[in-house]
Amino acid sequence: GAGVSQSPSNKVTEKGKDVELRCDPISGHTALYWYRQSLGQGLEFLIYFQGNSAPDKSGLPSDRFSAERTGGSVSTLTIQRTQQEDSAVYLCASSLASHPTNGYTFGSGTRLTVV
Amino acid sequence: GNSVTQMEGPVTLSEEAFLTINCTYTATGYPSLFWYVQYPGEGLQLLLKATKADDKGSNKGFEATYRKETTSFHLEKGSVQVSDSAVYFCALINANTGNQFYFGTGTSLTVIP
Repeated sequence: GAGVSQSPSNKVTEKGKDVELRCDPISGHTALYWYRQSLGQGLEFLIYFQGNSAPDKSGLPSDRFSAERTGGSVSTLTIQRTQQEDSAVYLCASSLASHPTNGYTFGSGTRLTVV
Repeated sequence: GNSVTQMEGPVTLSEEAFLTINCTYTATGYPSLFWYVQYPGEGLQLLLKATKADDKGSNKGFEATYRKETTSFHLEKGSVQVSDSAVYFCALINANTGNQFYFGTGTSLTVIP
């Protein structure tokens, strides 16, 4: 597609429920990244995919968080047993290379609210 | 390790005022430096970048110079407009240590007519 597409744009869920967030990167972009943006905080790195593999998962905050990527394209970030501290904007980005000195292209994000 | 520190906001300026948003970084080797902008309700967009010392990135009237001696990459604009109201993020990527971007906490700018 023309840009990085994320869905849903907004998600309100009850504490304890599981949620899935979807990212559709720019066609042909082999690298895909998930970040979390909390109120008053910077962007927190979560995970990086090169193709379908995730060589860097160091930012996932707990084992409740997981992500997968299939076909070198769409990625899904899953949060199990959501907690209120998971409320944030989850941003996806993609790039052509694994060392993107030209910068990432970001999606508009999914705003997750856990009530 | 790698980190970025940028000035706290929010910043409020009158239209046509001069803008500076300070950014300093910590990194080993020679990182590439970036400014991203996030307009209300939108995703982050790359504003400008510099990949080596003394490079100047520029776009839409904004400029930033990569200063290795002061480990800084301050964002400047000579005359801001209402449409520049947004949150600005300084960031670095360091190919020596991995492929993720390290972002500052963001600086909110509001320009009033």
